[in-house]
Amino acid sequence: GAGVSQSPSNKVTEKGKDVELRCDPISGHTALYWYRQRLGQGLEFLIYFQGNSAPDKSGLPSDRFSAERTGESVSTLTIQRTQQEDSAVYLCASSADGGLGYGYTFGSGTRLTVV
Amino acid sequence: AQTVTQSQPEMSVQEAETVTLSCTYDTSENNYYLFWYKQPPSRQMILVIRQEAYKQQNATENRFSVNFQKAAKSFSLKISDSQLGDTAMYFCAREGGGSNYKLTFGKGTLLTVNP
Repeated sequence: GAGVSQSPSNKVTEKGKDVELRCDPISGHTALYWYRQRLGQGLEFLIYFQGNSAPDKSGLPSDRFSAERTGESVSTLTIQRTQQEDSAVYLCASSADGGLGYGYTFGSGTRLTVV
Repeated sequence: AQTVTQSQPEMSVQEAETVTLSCTYDTSENNYYLFWYKQPPSRQMILVIRQEAYKQQNATENRFSVNFQKAAKSFSLKISDSQLGDTAMYFCAREGGGSNYKLTFGKGTLLTVNP
């Protein structure tokens, strides 16, 4: 597609429920990233995909968080047993390759609110 | 930890005037890339300007320019002829060279352009 698409745009969930956040990167972009942005804060790295593999998962805050990517395109970030501290905007980005200075193209994010 | 520091949480400027946003960073790499991103209230992260560390010439994009001081690890953003639409959060980011593909972001500077 023309840009990075994320869905849903907003999600309100009850504490303890599982949520899935979806990211459709730009077609042909092999690198995909998930970041978390808490209110008034900078962007916190979660996970990096190169193709379908995830060479860096170091930013995932706990084992309640997982992500996968299929077909070198769509990625899903899953948060199990959500907690109130998971409330944030989750941003997805893609790039033509990682580490080569192209910068990222970001989606508009999913605002997750855990009540 | 390799960090990016933005020391100005908030700034304001009058329309048509010039403003400079500060950024310093830490890295052990010799070649890397630096970026300024803009995030308006729509949440969309927009790439403003990009600098390659091995290039001494400062990058310029229309009203936006940088002052890149490699030895001092400083990368400030100058906005000339500020416009109301420039009101946004501005994030400085570093992408390491080689296998260091992650963008590391500063905490951001909220810029308000006043009429």
